[in-house]
Amino acid sequence: AQSVTQLDSHVSVSEGTPVLLRCNYSSSYSPSLFWYVQHPNKGLQLLLKYTSAATLVKGINGFEAEFKKSETSFHLTKPSAHMSDAAEYFCVVSGGYQKVTFGTGTKLQVIP
Amino acid sequence: DVKVTQSSRYLVKRTGEKVFLECVQDMDHENMFWYRQDPGLGLRLIYFSYDVKMKEKGDIPEGYSVSREKKERFSLILESASTNQTSMYLCASRPRDRYYEQYFGPGTRLTVT
Repeated sequence: AQSVTQLDSHVSVSEGTPVLLRCNYSSSYSPSLFWYVQHPNKGLQLLLKYTSAATLVKGINGFEAEFKKSETSFHLTKPSAHMSDAAEYFCVVSGGYQKVTFGTGTKLQVIP
Repeated sequence: DVKVTQSSRYLVKRTGEKVFLECVQDMDHENMFWYRQDPGLGLRLIYFSYDVKMKEKGDIPEGYSVSREKKERFSLILESASTNQTSMYLCASRPRDRYYEQYFGPGTRLTVT
């Protein structure tokens, strides 16, 4: 069994300040973890992925995430938010072949 | 660039109608998926297919069926649409051996009245 919990449904930050989107997971297997972003009226785009290599993963647009097995977390961060980062972000766990579970999403608002 | 296209961006249907949602991918991917996306619930898997004419139920298959007659095309069918099937429907595809490399279409927003 596997699950993923996104701890905040909405996050609001000022432009130029750090972004932190929190994700906790559970999995019976050694999981792979992903973050996807969905801009308004667009499909989902893969931001970054962890697949048992380096625990600090860098993605597109300056985002990164750190896999912490002891905390079962995979939080998404960015040092400085940009207006174009406003979107919905999904944390995803895959613990077995074919089985992928999405979190419920976090909407990021960036205030000018 | 991988492209996953869906036949309609917006669709309005009446209760009881049969509805077809089409998805086409151009990268020769073996696996294709249908999800529905609802506020506060994230994405939930309806059906997936790992090969032509093969299909597997996802987490919420009730009220839906699928068809995969060609590798590039995966259709979602609502046999008799109901108002609780009003949702955003997302199609995705991925190669068989790279399970993390999932590509999504833009979605179809279906309204059943």
